Amino acid sequence: AQSVAQPEDQVNVAEGNPLTVKCTYSVSGNPYLFWYVQYPNRGLQFLLKYITGDNLVKGSYGFEAEFNKSQTSFHLKKPSALVSDSALYFCAVSDGNNRLAFGKGNQVVVIP
Amino acid sequence: DSGVTQTPKHLITATGQRVTLRCSPRSGDLSVYWYQQSLDQGLQFLIQYYNGEERAKGNILERFSAQQFPDLHSELNLSSLELGDSALYFCASSVGQGANTIYFGEGSWLTVV
Repeated sequence: AQSVAQPEDQVNVAEGNPLTVKCTYSVSGNPYLFWYVQYPNRGLQFLLKYITGDNLVKGSYGFEAEFNKSQTSFHLKKPSALVSDSALYFCAVSDGNNRLAFGKGNQVVVIP
Repeated sequence: DSGVTQTPKHLITATGQRVTLRCSPRSGDLSVYWYQQSLDQGLQFLIQYYNGEERAKGNILERFSAQQFPDLHSELNLSSLELGDSALYFCASSVGQGANTIYFGEGSWLTVV
């Protein structure tokens, strides 16, 4: 069965600084990796995904993620964080069966 | 706006009751998924339908059932409700199966009192 670990409960970053949210995964077979963001009292919004190809994936709102097969990681990054990026971020993995396994989520707090 | 529509947005009901949550997938999407989000369990996959047929089951209780209708909308039925069923229930949809992007609705907040 597939699983995701998001080791940090909360990530604090100053506005304008780089933002990194960590994710490691476990799956049998090829991984399909996703990042979603959830704002308060809202649904999950799709940010980006890795299926195959270039290890650096670019997504919405200036976010990108780097797939590292040897480290089984898929960290989310943004070069310059905005206060409006404060939200709950979820990493998810699938083995291609479309059943996403989510991590517990990381609360990102961007400090003005 | 993801294009996935869920109703109702909020629901308060008593223990032992039954409720139905409704979902309309994005136009053209054949797969529908139901997820439960709670503080203690996080995001849990419940069940998936593809073009009217059940395709995968996750951590769905026997008191819960779902179906997808010919027009592709789906309903999640929750019966004999317990306090612990209070959660945010998400519907999501995708074009097909495999590695397609799954788009989520805004969720239905269920509070059991």
